[in-house]
Amino acid sequence: DAGVTQSPTHLIKTRGQQVTLRCSPKSGHDTVSWYQQALGQGPQFIFQYYEEEERQRGNFPDRFSGHQFPNYSSELNVNALLLGDSALYLCASSVARGNTIYFGEGSWLTVV
Amino acid sequence: AQSVSQHNHHVILSEAASLELGCNYSYGGTVNLFWYVQYPGQHLQLLLKYFSGDPLVKGIKGFEAEFIKSKFSFNLRKPSVQWSDTAEYFCAVNAHGNNRLAFGKGNQVVVIP
Repeated sequence: DAGVTQSPTHLIKTRGQQVTLRCSPKSGHDTVSWYQQALGQGPQFIFQYYEEEERQRGNFPDRFSGHQFPNYSSELNVNALLLGDSALYLCASSVARGNTIYFGEGSWLTVV
Repeated sequence: AQSVSQHNHHVILSEAASLELGCNYSYGGTVNLFWYVQYPGQHLQLLLKYFSGDPLVKGIKGFEAEFIKSKFSFNLRKPSVQWSDTAEYFCAVNAHGNNRLAFGKGNQVVVIP
């Protein structure tokens, strides 16, 4: 059990639609990061939330946005979906400035 | 920003063979280094990590990795693989005090019984 839970596990969306993915961090963790893993690639950092604010952002367009709630859980929102957004979206949790990072099982997004 | 290179994306070997996966990173400061494994249909799991101290790190399932600072490398090794080691292996790095990870593209390892 990874301790980091994500939902939904799989979903299919149509181009142009919007999607929301959810993540609950491991107990005791206050920092949530999101990664995109395209088929055959390593995970790419999207952004990181701590204290309900976006603290770091990778090279992703503004269509990708997020939120962190007071209970440290987080959402990833993607607007105006493109076929290229099809990927496994991973949530990772840690403590602030902590060095050990735990990953959830991911949400598989298919855009058709 | 950090970057990570992994070579030989696809590796096929027989049980009991030795495995070595290369990982090179580029970053001028102090780093933490990780190897993650992703078994088919499962989440990323931490195999081992290096923060400081002894550059030879032992992880789970008989894996070890050696940090060579002068070569910016953190190669993963296992003396004798099993069929159950079939998985994708990712090397990752972050800067000290920053838990944003940069991943390599991964090595798909297939172990033939």
